[in-house]
Amino acid sequence: AQSVAQPEDQVNVAEGNPLTVKCTYSVSGNPYLFWYVQYPNRGLQFLLKYITGDNLVKGSYGFEAEFNKSQTSFHLKKPSALVSDSALYFCAVRDKIKTGANNLFFGTGTRLTVIP
Amino acid sequence: DAGVIQSPRHEVTEMGQEVTLRCKPISGHDYLFWYRQTMMRGLELLIYFNNNVPIDDSGMPEDRFSAKMPNASFSTLKIQPSEPRDSAVYFCASSSVAGETQYFGPGTRLLVL
Repeated sequence: AQSVAQPEDQVNVAEGNPLTVKCTYSVSGNPYLFWYVQYPNRGLQFLLKYITGDNLVKGSYGFEAEFNKSQTSFHLKKPSALVSDSALYFCAVRDKIKTGANNLFFGTGTRLTVIP
Repeated sequence: DAGVIQSPRHEVTEMGQEVTLRCKPISGHDYLFWYRQTMMRGLELLIYFNNNVPIDDSGMPEDRFSAKMPNASFSTLKIQPSEPRDSAVYFCASSSVAGETQYFGPGTRLLVL
């Protein structure tokens, strides 16, 4: 079975401080991992993904995420938070083994608030 | 490309009425997904298509919901009859075979009174 856990419903961070949004996953094989961001009254926007290769993935708006196979984690990070980063963040996973199936399993989302 | 297009953006209807949501995927994308988002249940996959064929509809809540994809550039999600508990934001997304990344439309905010 495939699943994603985002253990924190809410993360608050001061502007200029580093931020981390946590994600752990469960798949039977090797994962494809994704982060999406949702701003108010908008659809989900793709931020970054891990398919293979370097465990540190860089994405849009200065975000990055590190794939850690031993801890089955894919935490989202940014060195210096901006107020405009305040949004809802979703982690998603797909199992590489399931060829032909292209659906992603999304976490429940983490609301990030950056405090000025 | 204009991205995934959904219409209408907002829909208010009364219980028992038929509701039709529309989606135009990104040109060249072979996969199309319908999701529902609510505060209580988060983001739920309802159904997805590959090359216009429904692949997995296990997320469709009940027979009142139906989805079609008559061609590669158009899909509909229909609720008949609608109920207040169907109130949610419905998203359409599309992806290509190679890219895996799903691109989401702006959503349709549905309110059933």
